[in-house]
Amino acid sequence: ELKVEQNPLFLSMQEGKNYTIYCNYSTTSDRLYWYRQDPGKSLESLFVLLSNGAVKQEGRLMASLDTKARLSTLHITAAVHDLSATYFCAVGEGGSEKLVFGKGMKLTVNP
Amino acid sequence: DGGITQSPKYLFRKEGQNVTLSCEQNLNHDAMYWYRQDPGQGLRLIYYSQIVNDFQKGDIAEGYSVSREKKESFPLTVTSAQKNPTAFYLCASSTLGTAYNEQFFGPGTRLTVL
Repeated sequence: ELKVEQNPLFLSMQEGKNYTIYCNYSTTSDRLYWYRQDPGKSLESLFVLLSNGAVKQEGRLMASLDTKARLSTLHITAAVHDLSATYFCAVGEGGSEKLVFGKGMKLTVNP
Repeated sequence: DGGITQSPKYLFRKEGQNVTLSCEQNLNHDAMYWYRQDPGQGLRLIYYSQIVNDFQKGDIAEGYSVSREKKESFPLTVTSAQKNPTAFYLCASSTLGTAYNEQFFGPGTRLTVL
């Protein structure tokens, strides 16, 4: 059974700081997704990672995938208040279209 | 504009009532999904469908039912058998047969049991 773990689950950081958050998964997969959710809102797609060593960047966020370690990281550079949200990783279950989601990491960026 | 719509945005249910949540997409996506989100939790899959008139149970299907009579529509019924239905319900859709198969989400319906 595929399990997805995110850590930390809560993060409070100051503007301008850097930080990396982690997503581990338990079985082999060929697809990993990062989503953002603002309070009371739906999920917005951030990144799709399909291969070992894949790296994608958008603004102050950079995501990477290590399929051998079953690990994805989301690196935040010079955080700003607008990045405050909950970030979910989701992993594709092998042989199906199903995604398994982590519990999400709630990020608060303080001035 | 292409997208996924869900209605209503807020829904209140009395004990013992069945209620139906609407999900429509005009993205020409083959697959559609229903998820449930509880406070502080990730998303859990209720049902999904890859083709019209066919659907599969997800991890928490008990107390829910769906239909897929049209490609664009995938309504979810929360039955009285669902003992704790208060949650945020999200519908998603995706293409099939591509490398990405990225799921796109609707705005959600917040269901509260009175």
